[in-house]
Amino acid sequence: DAGVIQSPRHEVTEMGQEVTLRCKPISGHNSLFWYRQTMMRGLELLIYFNNNVPIDDSGMPEDRFSAKMPNASFSTLKIQPSEPRDSAVYFCASSPNGQGLGTEAFFGQGTRLTVV
Amino acid sequence: DAKTTQPNSMESNEEEPVHLPCNHSTISGTDYIHWYRQLPSQGPEYVIHGLTSNVNNRMASLAIAEDRKSSTLILHRATLRDAAVYYCIEAGGFKTIFGAGTRLFVKA
Repeated sequence: DAGVIQSPRHEVTEMGQEVTLRCKPISGHNSLFWYRQTMMRGLELLIYFNNNVPIDDSGMPEDRFSAKMPNASFSTLKIQPSEPRDSAVYFCASSPNGQGLGTEAFFGQGTRLTVV
Repeated sequence: DAKTTQPNSMESNEEEPVHLPCNHSTISGTDYIHWYRQLPSQGPEYVIHGLTSNVNNRMASLAIAEDRKSSTLILHRATLRDAAVYYCIEAGGFKTIFGAGTRLFVKA
């Protein structure tokens, strides 16, 4: 398996533009997570899905952020409009089940977003 | 908020064992203890996890205190490639919250 695949790896955009980050989880995994990492705040859990259904989006910073998982093999994280403070590395991870059930999560390489 | 406590940084010599401590004094009886590490410019990588018993795998060993309020990740022979940030996590349900982790420096 190729692992969790994220695209693009790098994104530079202007303030106010819409940004869409993409994730392909590992085939057969039921749980998908979106994280954001910054120097100031570390790794933050934004949202997670189980069986394509959003379970907890309490980590999504504000309404400008939205995430979807239309099927088991694809998820998107959208920021509209983007702001400079959204600059961060965004990670997607997948897991066979929730990690609290004793299974590990596999992370993608991340998307480095820069909003200028 | 993260519920684990780890030292900010630790230093080790190459080819010596490293013991990375973690306190999780409020852990519930059903939460697993997971360890991940993050190498520079990469996503976090799973290292090991356990519930009550000590665990070994090809990467490391995990020693869990009898009362489960603390654990120790053991790297048996540190290499330069082990220099990373190591995260200790209480994993309950589907949610996984990362703390600040321990940055491990390995000296040649």
